[in-house]
Amino acid sequence: GAVVSQHPSWVICKSGTSVKIECRSLDFQATTMFWYRQFPKQSLMLMATSNEGSKATYEQGVEKDKFLINHASLTLSTLTVTSAHPEDSSFYICSVRGRGYYEQYFGPGTRLTVT
Amino acid sequence: TQLLEQSPQFLSIQEGENLTVYCNSSSVFSSLQWYRQEPGEGPVLLVTVVTGGEVKKLKRLTFQFGDARKDSSLHITAAQPGDTGLYLCSNMNRDDKIIFGKGTRLHILP
Repeated sequence: GAVVSQHPSWVICKSGTSVKIECRSLDFQATTMFWYRQFPKQSLMLMATSNEGSKATYEQGVEKDKFLINHASLTLSTLTVTSAHPEDSSFYICSVRGRGYYEQYFGPGTRLTVT
Repeated sequence: TQLLEQSPQFLSIQEGENLTVYCNSSSVFSSLQWYRQEPGEGPVLLVTVVTGGEVKKLKRLTFQFGDARKDSSLHITAAQPGDTGLYLCSNMNRDDKIIFGKGTRLHILP
């Protein structure tokens, strides 16, 4: 399977600031990357899907101007949480999938705490 | 909209016992993935099943895909504390979007 890294693994920021989270596919050509958020003791909620070189497709209820996603290459996608609020505090996880594959491979997650 | 229903939601059993968790859908699966997620970590892929009736084994874990490809089960033999985690099933729907069940939270007591 693919090896996926996320950076940072955890971050604390003040309300109103922006935070960028990186997702890297270390050994896999990720034509598609997904961003999820997960609240405590809940399942994963898909936020957006991004294909390399294209604009991200956001799920209903996810503000595209607040959660900026860039998928500039086959190995890197970034999620920027703009003007963060305490309710944005969550566990953010990215995953990668290659063309024609069923499976996706997840990063270790980034825990964001907004104070 | 295809939904994946997992049961039970929570399961707490003693070390050494056997258990089975389930994933069901009203629609036919093209394929099904099982993941395990430990606290503070991303989900880790355990297995993909594709063919109706398929059975796959991964050490003490046995995965079964229903003949009609609308359900799947995960059986753990002689559960160990290291099996503790959130077990998720997932599937790609008609819109080429991967969806997840709500998961079964398993806790193995030493």
